[in-house]
Amino acid sequence: QKEVEQNSGPLSVPEGAIASLNCTYSDRGSQSFFWYRQYSGKSPELIMFIYSNGDKEDGRFTAQLNKASQYVSLLIRDSQPSDSATYLCAVKARSGNTPLVFGKGTRLSVIA
Amino acid sequence: SAVISQKPSRDICQRGTSLTIQCQVDSQVTMMFWYRQQPGQSLTLIATANQGSEATYESGFVIDKFPISRPNLTFSTLTVSNMSPEDSSIYLCSVSGGGAFDEQYFGPGTRLTVT
Repeated sequence: QKEVEQNSGPLSVPEGAIASLNCTYSDRGSQSFFWYRQYSGKSPELIMFIYSNGDKEDGRFTAQLNKASQYVSLLIRDSQPSDSATYLCAVKARSGNTPLVFGKGTRLSVIA
Repeated sequence: SAVISQKPSRDICQRGTSLTIQCQVDSQVTMMFWYRQQPGQSLTLIATANQGSEATYESGFVIDKFPISRPNLTFSTLTVSNMSPEDSSIYLCSVSGGGAFDEQYFGPGTRLTVT
């Protein structure tokens, strides 16, 4: 059973701080890793993906991947109240036509 | 990324009836998936919609309850049959195949309430 684990939160951070969201996965053969943001009442929105070890930066977001530790994280710098949402980690086990495996999500609350 | 639309956006249905949800994509995609998200929960994959063949269902989901069609590379339907209040949920269409890393994108969802 392939699993993706996330702390459910809520994770509360003050405005302007760095929010750190973490995710672990069980399938060592996993190849691609995704972060989705889901606002209440809306569908998930893809914000980052990463496939090689190290960091990938996009604006205020940085995804970090450590395949040896089976760990992926998302850092949000200069957190804003508008970043308050549930963040879903998703893993693709292998290339080809297989669906993503999703974690249960971490709820982030940015306090003004 | 592909633009995905779903119809209806929401519906209130009586128990015992069926509802068909449509998913339309503005470009051809390799894969289409149907998910369910119950209140306060994460995403649960119902099935993979295969073009030209029967859908592939996940454990706990059966074709009689959730028949799926995919007549071409841009369209799929999910029917929720013989509904009960436990079927009240958000149903999401998701697609992949247009990006280099098979990233998945989601439609806006269909909010279903069964009374």
